[in-house]
Amino acid sequence: GDSVTQMEGPVTLSEEAFLTINCTYTATGYPSLFWYVQYPGEGLQLLLKATKADDKGSNKGFEATYRKETTSFHLEKGSVQVSDSAVYFCALTAGTASKLTFGTGTRLQVTL
Amino acid sequence: GAVVSQHPSWVICKSGTSVKIECRSLDFQATTMFWYRQFPKQSLMLMATSNEGSKATYEQGVEKDKFLINHASLTLSTLTVTSAHPEDSSFYICSAPNPRQGTDQPQHFGDGTRLSIL
Repeated sequence: GDSVTQMEGPVTLSEEAFLTINCTYTATGYPSLFWYVQYPGEGLQLLLKATKADDKGSNKGFEATYRKETTSFHLEKGSVQVSDSAVYFCALTAGTASKLTFGTGTRLQVTL
Repeated sequence: GAVVSQHPSWVICKSGTSVKIECRSLDFQATTMFWYRQFPKQSLMLMATSNEGSKATYEQGVEKDKFLINHASLTLSTLTVTSAHPEDSSFYICSAPNPRQGTDQPQHFGDGTRLSIL
């Protein structure tokens, strides 16, 4: 079945540091890939997405590129802020019904 | 844009109580809604798919009699945790498929309900 593997957290960075959160996937067919963010006590918000190979999703300084050859969708940001502290989920949909498969989530803590 | 509203956002109740959580699609119709459970510091676990006018589809290992799902209208699904116990304490999140799929995200999420059973 479909699955998503994320690097374990927590990830602790100083403000303005470079961020990478690794995500790899297994899916049949050609999945769409997503990063969701969950701030403390809140639901999930879509951060960015990519629907086909070599697409780059970007939003709020975050980027991720759909790499079919390595089945990866790593999340990056050049300079993190304290306000980026949250849990980040990599996810995919494949097939029908918009059913999402989530990774385990990676908690990011950014300090001053 | 399309929005999903979840209520209540926080509930604390005594063991043995049944608790109902509502999930509404505010400006679109949703024949399907999803219910997730999130344990502390863990990922979202899909509990069930709520189907308007028919029975919900439960994921393996989810107790149907414990987590009752009703999808009585095209804009409302409810999850009732029956005879709740402390181990049912968790963060519950609902979502509904985006009617404009293909151009946007696949699901719109509610803000979640934190359930604490004493």
